[in-house]
Amino acid sequence: DAGVTQSPTHLIKTRGQQVTLRCSPISGHKSVSWYQQVLGQGPQFIFQYYEKEERGRGNFPDRFSARQFPNYSSELNVNALLLGDSALYLCASSSRHQDGLNQPQHFGDGTRLSIL
Amino acid sequence: QKEVEQNSGPLSVPEGAIASLNCTYSDRGSQSFFWYRQYSGKSPELIMSIYSNGDKEDGRFTAQLNKASQYVSLLIRDSQPSDSATYLCAVSPWSASKIIFGSGTRLSIRP
Repeated sequence: DAGVTQSPTHLIKTRGQQVTLRCSPISGHKSVSWYQQVLGQGPQFIFQYYEKEERGRGNFPDRFSARQFPNYSSELNVNALLLGDSALYLCASSSRHQDGLNQPQHFGDGTRLSIL
Repeated sequence: QKEVEQNSGPLSVPEGAIASLNCTYSDRGSQSFFWYRQYSGKSPELIMSIYSNGDKEDGRFTAQLNKASQYVSLLIRDSQPSDSATYLCAVSPWSASKIIFGSGTRLSIRP
């Protein structure tokens, strides 16, 4: 079975532009989460979507938005890009909670976004 | 205080020895705990999940959880050069829709 797939793998943008990143979860996974990882840090939680609804949001500005489609794929949008948005953007999918416990998240290879 | 704390390392361990990686967390309501391995330039790869106090073993890896002390650890037995990577501890409260990662510990296995 295919793992989590993300596109594109690399992207170069300039300040002020907008970007859309895409993610397809593992087959059967209905939960998709987005993370931002800068060099030397762990992934920082941005959003989680489950069954097309936002279930969690991290401490990121409103320039960041996301959505999930009926096939459970997801897009992350970032508007008005800043130099500080340069990072590896990771998508992860998981199966639903079991007995209230979060299930492990499985990551895609990420999109490396560079802002010039 | 960070929500999930790890020693950044690098932790240098001789080949064949036991590597011990530690993590503390601040939210007493945390119920789900994960260890990920991340090679340079790659995405995190799940090693183990643990939900109950005690030890959980999977091959050369053992995760240990102590909720009273808010402490989770990962032991790697018979360390191999291929184990050289950054190890990320991740924690999630009950039913919470987010997982919080530590900054990771860099592990280096020396021949």
